[in-house]
Amino acid sequence: ETVMTQSPATLSVSPGERATLSCRASQSVSSKLAWYQQKPGQAPRFLIYGASTRATGIPDRFSGSGSGTEFTLTISSLQSEDFAVYYCQQYNNWPWTFGQGTKVEIK
Amino acid sequence: EVQLVESGGGLVQPGGSLRLSCAASGFTFRSYWMNWVRQAPGKGLEWLANIKQDGSDKFYIDSVKGRFTISRDNAKNSLYLQMNSLRAEDTAVYYCVRKTPMVGDYFDYWGQGTLVTVSS
Repeated sequence: ETVMTQSPATLSVSPGERATLSCRASQSVSSKLAWYQQKPGQAPRFLIYGASTRATGIPDRFSGSGSGTEFTLTISSLQSEDFAVYYCQQYNNWPWTFGQGTKVEIK
Repeated sequence: EVQLVESGGGLVQPGGSLRLSCAASGFTFRSYWMNWVRQAPGKGLEWLANIKQDGSDKFYIDSVKGRFTISRDNAKNSLYLQMNSLRAEDTAVYYCVRKTPMVGDYFDYWGQGTLVTVSS
């Protein structure tokens, strides 16, 4: 199966600063990569698909990039509601697999 | 508004069985592939199984194949997961998840989850 590795495990960022999260695949997933946000005690929320296309209603401070095996989620100016855990998921190679998550915490 | 509401979780002994249900509303349930995804305590997400719109195709990850069965009742707008031969490592929150209507197996709506604890 395709192993998804996210880094760093925890990212400490001040409100208003930029956050850059990485996701690496053990084999190419083309651009079939999605990102989700999860807050404590809540279900994941769908953010991005196709590596770079925002889901409906997602603010434009969230952007995704990459293809093949290297992907990035950037939050341009962190708001208080953005502090959460972020997961990447590949849907190119069955079975579909997720990264272990990056926790974005307040610095 | 799309809603997915899971139920049926609880405490079960190793080797036991449990049936999870998911009540769907706010969309045309019979038109969507549906999935189960789980999250062990303090861990990441793990896709488990999915089922085609009419129930004719089902897929499972190896670790649950032969133990778990996904099914649906389109007349009742409901998704199910029958879990047998449960193990301690099956302890997790189980999410009912809708696949996007677009091409690609990514997930646009998630339920709040139901906790399954396997312990003696």
